[in-house]
Amino acid sequence: NAGVMQNPRHLVRRRGQEARLRCSPMKGHSHVYWYRQLPEEGLKFMVYLQKENIIDESGMPKERFSAEFPKEGPSILRIQQVVRGDSAAYFCASSRQGTRNYGYTFGSGTRLTVV
Amino acid sequence: DQQVKQNSPSLSVQEGRISILNCDYTNSMFDYFLWYKKYPAEGPTFLISISSIKDKNEDGRFTVFLNKSAKHLSLHIVPSQPGDSAVYFCAASVGGSGGGADGLTFGKGTHLIIQP
Repeated sequence: NAGVMQNPRHLVRRRGQEARLRCSPMKGHSHVYWYRQLPEEGLKFMVYLQKENIIDESGMPKERFSAEFPKEGPSILRIQQVVRGDSAAYFCASSRQGTRNYGYTFGSGTRLTVV
Repeated sequence: DQQVKQNSPSLSVQEGRISILNCDYTNSMFDYFLWYKKYPAEGPTFLISISSIKDKNEDGRFTVFLNKSAKHLSLHIVPSQPGDSAVYFCAASVGGSGGGADGLTFGKGTHLIIQP
């Protein structure tokens, strides 16, 4: 079990392009969370998904950002028309269920740079 | 509005001594607290947690203390080792039936440096 896999590790996009970040949860985990870390900041919750369902997207910007976790395949965080302020590290975490007791397992993150 | 605050951006401790990392929170609805450790270019790793019904939880060299009246928690590492050098994040969550119940609110982190 390779843990939570995120790719790409680094992504460079020009302003106005689209960014797609992928997250494969740990085997057996059906809950996925996306967090964003801006420079010099803590991680900020964005969205919580289960297979084919968005459970909570209260931390997601209303425009340009979307997330999905299809029945098959990885979870995708999609950012349309990227701007410089989107530059950040995006971390995905997974859990077997909403198991707060043991914390989540985080991936190594995708570092998005918008130029 | 920073609901979880780690007021020390960095902390330097001598190897073998005790490291104490502090965290304050403002939301009285938080009922579960966690500490994560993060190395550069890696994701955070879960370290230890505590429920609001307890005031102490211990796991090997790591102990977390919770003072609900002061809305304060701390992580003690003793003895400190070179491998403990990392950024430590305090996180909190609100229980409930859903709607963000499992989303964590993180502090900005404290960079712990263990000196030989």
